Amino acid sequence: DIVMTQSPLSLPVTPGEPASISCRSSQSLLQRNGYNYLDWYLQKPGQSPQLLIYLGSYRASGVPDRFSGSGSGTDFTLKISRVEAEDVGVYYCMQALQPPFAFGPGTKVDIK
Amino acid sequence: QVQLVQSGAEVKKPGASVKVSCKASGYSFTGYSIHWVRQALGQGLEWMGRINPNSGGTDSAQKFQGRVTVTRDTSINTAYMELTSLRSDDTAVYYCARAQSMTDPGEYFHHWGQGTLVTVSS
Repeated sequence: DIVMTQSPLSLPVTPGEPASISCRSSQSLLQRNGYNYLDWYLQKPGQSPQLLIYLGSYRASGVPDRFSGSGSGTDFTLKISRVEAEDVGVYYCMQALQPPFAFGPGTKVDIK
Repeated sequence: QVQLVQSGAEVKKPGASVKVSCKASGYSFTGYSIHWVRQALGQGLEWMGRINPNSGGTDSAQKFQGRVTVTRDTSINTAYMELTSLRSDDTAVYYCARAQSMTDPGEYFHHWGQGTLVTVSS
């Protein structure tokens, strides 16, 4: 099974400042079709998760452009160019290459 | 608009079974797979299984050792997740989520149900 790790697990942020979360997979998520099967989700307190980024770098509809995803193979990064107060919550990466799909442990983002 | 509405909270005793439903609306039910994800209180997300509503084909996490069954009823646009031999550590919020079109690459969940709390307690 593919194992996902994230760092850091806790990230205090200052509004207006950038933030970055790293995600690693135990095997490459790059498919022959050129897509990386890696998604990012944000779970705000008390809510269902919401999709931010799919296929490594594609922003989901309605997601602000301050969110971006990058990386390939086994190493991926989610960046927030300028954090806003509404961005607090837990961020998860998920490998979507093969079942069992697996989430990372989550990165809790809160305001300093 | 796409909606996934799940059944209500359940309280079960250890050893019992629970069946959670996920009623879909606003799109063609058979065109998108449905996944089940759970979250123990204060913990992370855990993928459990998926179903192709068109074919009925399923995948599930081996961790559950055959305790989880994902089904669907296309006549009422509803997917189900049944978990048997419940234990206290199955206490969690269970979510259904709709993946993107099966003709598109990847597997990502733009739409989620509201979650169903299942409490296992003697």
